[in-house]
Amino acid sequence: AQSVTQLDSHVSVSEGTPVLLRCNYSSSYSPSLFWYVQHPNKGLQLLLKYTSAATLVKGINGFEAEFKKSETSFHLTKPSAHMSDAAEYFCVVSPGGRRALTFGSGTRLQVQP
Amino acid sequence: SAVISQKPSRDICQRGTSLTIQCQVDSQVTMMFWYRQQPGQSLTLIATANQGSEATYESGFVIDKFPISRPNLTFSTLTVSNLSPEDSSIYLCSVEMDYGYTFGSGTRLTVV
Repeated sequence: AQSVTQLDSHVSVSEGTPVLLRCNYSSSYSPSLFWYVQHPNKGLQLLLKYTSAATLVKGINGFEAEFKKSETSFHLTKPSAHMSDAAEYFCVVSPGGRRALTFGSGTRLQVQP
Repeated sequence: SAVISQKPSRDICQRGTSLTIQCQVDSQVTMMFWYRQQPGQSLTLIATANQGSEATYESGFVIDKFPISRPNLTFSTLTVSNLSPEDSSIYLCSVEMDYGYTFGSGTRLTVV
């Protein structure tokens, strides 16, 4: 069994300040972990993916995430927020083996000017 | 990267009718996944569709309500039957590729 907990339903930051979106996971397997972003009325876009190669994963648009097995966490960070980062972010876990994803509840990121 | 063409992008349907959603992938894939995203919610898996076999449904979803077809390795349909307002959601298909999972653009269904 696997599950994902996104610790904040809503995060608000000022433009140019750091972003931290928190995610904890539970999995019986060695999981694959993902972050997806969904802009309003747009489709889901893959930000980054962890598959046990390197614990620090770099993604698109300056985002990165660090896998910490001891803390079962996979937090998403960005050094400097941009207005275009305002969106819904989903932390997602997969057990691998071409099986379906389990989505977290999502974190809505607001970026204030 | 794989491209999924999903249609329709949106529809407004009368209660009691059905809507069939199509997903076409530009490469062959073994499994396709169907998700529902209710308003303001996260995505929930409806079923996994394997070519040549019956779809596998998640708890709370049944074949009579959400029949799925998977006639070949590039195409699948999801039908939402006997529509009620509670079925108003975004429905998405997804496939796994080497770099991660890719999603269709979604079908926004409104039941009136």
